[in-house]
This record gives sequence, C-alpha cells and structure tokens, in this order.
Amino acid sequence: DIQMTQSPSTLSASVGDRVTITCRASQSVSTWLAWYQQKPGKAPKVLIYRASSLQGGVPSRFSGSGSGTEFSLTISSLQPDDFATYYCQQYNSYSPTFGQGTKLEIK
Amino acid sequence: EVHLVESGGGLVQPGRSLRLSCVASGFSFDDYAMHWVRQAPGKGLEWVSGINWNSRNIGYADSVKGRFTISRDNARNSLYLQMNSLRAEDTALYYCAKSEAGTYNYYAMDVWGQGTTVTVSS
Repeated sequence: DIQMTQSPSTLSASVGDRVTITCRASQSVSTWLAWYQQKPGKAPKVLIYRASSLQGGVPSRFSGSGSGTEFSLTISSLQPDDFATYYCQQYNSYSPTFGQGTKLEIK
Repeated sequence: EVHLVESGGGLVQPGRSLRLSCVASGFSFDDYAMHWVRQAPGKGLEWVSGINWNSRNIGYADSVKGRFTISRDNARNSLYLQMNSLRAEDTALYYCAKSEAGTYNYYAMDVWGQGTTVTVSS
C-alpha cells in the first residue's frame, strides 16, 4: 500500500496567517490526491481534489499543489472557521490511503 | 440535497458479526462508487472498503480483508458492510462516502454521511 506522511502533525497559527501543510507519498500518485477538512464531531469535507482543483463552495483562500510524491495545502489567510484537522488522501490505487492528519490550532 | 445516512452500529462482543447500512438520497446512487471509511476514537481516517457502481470492482484494506464484505443494492439506494470476526481494533466511527464517479479509484470522496459507531468489547 502507498503510505502518506503529513507534516507537521500539529500547527499553531493565528487568524490572518498564511499556512502550508505538506503531504508526501511513498511512491508516485501522479495528481490523484485530495485534501479533506474535519472539525470535531463532524464528517470530513473535501476541499481539494486532483491535487489542485478546488471543490465547489470551498473558499479561494484554500489551494493545493504538487504532483508525484510531494504535495501541499496552503491557506492564504487563516479564518476562525479554518481551525480543524486536515487530511491528505491518495486515490491512485485500488487501496486509497490517508495521511495521519494535521491539527491546525489557534496560537 | 445529497444525503448519506448510516445505521447498524452498536456494541458487539469480539468474534461476533454486525451489518452496517447506508441509505443514499438526492443523487443517482447507481451511477457512483461508494466507500466505507472508519475513524477509531481520537485517531485519523482509515479507508476500509470501496465498491464500483456495478459491484464488479471491490477492494478492502488489509486490516479487514477476509472478515468484511461490502455490497450494494442499487434498487434500494443502499450500501452495506458485513463485518464478521470483529476485533477490539475494529472499534470506530464508520462513515459511508460517495465517490465523485462510478469507480472508487481515481476519484475523491465528495459526500460523507455522519457515521455510525461500532464498539467491539466483551
């Protein structure tokens, strides 16, 4: 199975900050990568698909980039609603896998 | 509005079985692949199983292979997960999720249910 490793595991930031979360795949997944946001007690919500395509209804402050084995999710200016846990997920294979998650906390 | 509603979770003893269900509404269920994803308490997301629109392509995580069976009934807009030989490590919130297209690989999960909780304990 393809392993997905996110960094950092926890990120402390302030409203208005620009933050970047990275995700590394153990082998190339091309651009078959998604980013999800999960808030406590809620189901995950897809933000980015195909590595850089913004899901409908997602604010434009979210962006994704990368291909192959290195990916990133950037939030250009943190809003109070953005403090949550973020997961990357590869779907290049018949065994999709998630990263371990990055918890974005208020500094 | 697109909706997925899971049911069937509960407390079960190790070694026993449980069947989860997910009923879909608001979209053409038989056009889309579906997934089960679980989340153990305080942990991250783990993909469990996926099934194509026509049930011809099915996959399982190694952790559940041989014990869990995914199926769907397109006439009933329903997805199922039969879980046998349950273990304590299967304790989790189980989500049903819709694929963006008819196959479960090469597409993200664009709609999720709220989950059903499975607790395996004696």
